[in-house]
Amino acid sequence: LAKTTQPISMDSYEGQEVNITCSHNNIATNDYITWYQQFPSQGPRFIIQGYKTKVTNEVASLFIPADRKSSTLSLPRVSLSDTAVYYCLVGGWGQTGANNLFFGTGTRLTVIP
Amino acid sequence: EPEVTQTPSHQVTQMGQEVILRCVPISNHLYFYWYRQILGQKVEFLVSFYNNEISEKSEIFDDQFSVERPDGSNFTLKIRSTKLEDSAMYFCASRHTNQPQHFGDGTRLSIL
Repeated sequence: LAKTTQPISMDSYEGQEVNITCSHNNIATNDYITWYQQFPSQGPRFIIQGYKTKVTNEVASLFIPADRKSSTLSLPRVSLSDTAVYYCLVGGWGQTGANNLFFGTGTRLTVIP
Repeated sequence: EPEVTQTPSHQVTQMGQEVILRCVPISNHLYFYWYRQILGQKVEFLVSFYNNEISEKSEIFDDQFSVERPDGSNFTLKIRSTKLEDSAMYFCASRHTNQPQHFGDGTRLSIL
């Protein structure tokens, strides 16, 4: 299982773009990269998933360089409600297996007014 | 948007009692999971379930734990004889083939 490393915490002002980088040096060929967001006393919420290059959806972008040993979650113009813990996870996705998720400690993002 | 729902939101139980946590996964999902999160700690995988049987389980999921899909909609986690250290948030998740997992908002289990 590929281990991930991400900053423990980050602060940002409202309206700024936030980039959270995750390292996954041992990513396997069939591993996908997935990001979840968790608010206190709530379950993790899926944000975005990618395999390579760039993926964008209505809430975030995910940048993955060619070597796939890292990835960057980009949150445009954050608001106070984006204060949460953000988890980077790496694992097989196309398989029909269990695809259990193994969470690290995540990055605690605090958005400041 | 369809959601995973969990009941109850908070369960208080005496140590040694049995507890059943209930989950209704998203209706067309095929894979089901339980995770737990002790206060201030990481989300930990407990068990995965597919085709009416356990696919994988972690070391945490010992003989005191069991899962069941009693009908076409519910997915339950039973703890046979609760211990103080079972106090945690328990999250249910489900997914369809080749799709990400979607989590419920959890049941807070407090063991007295």
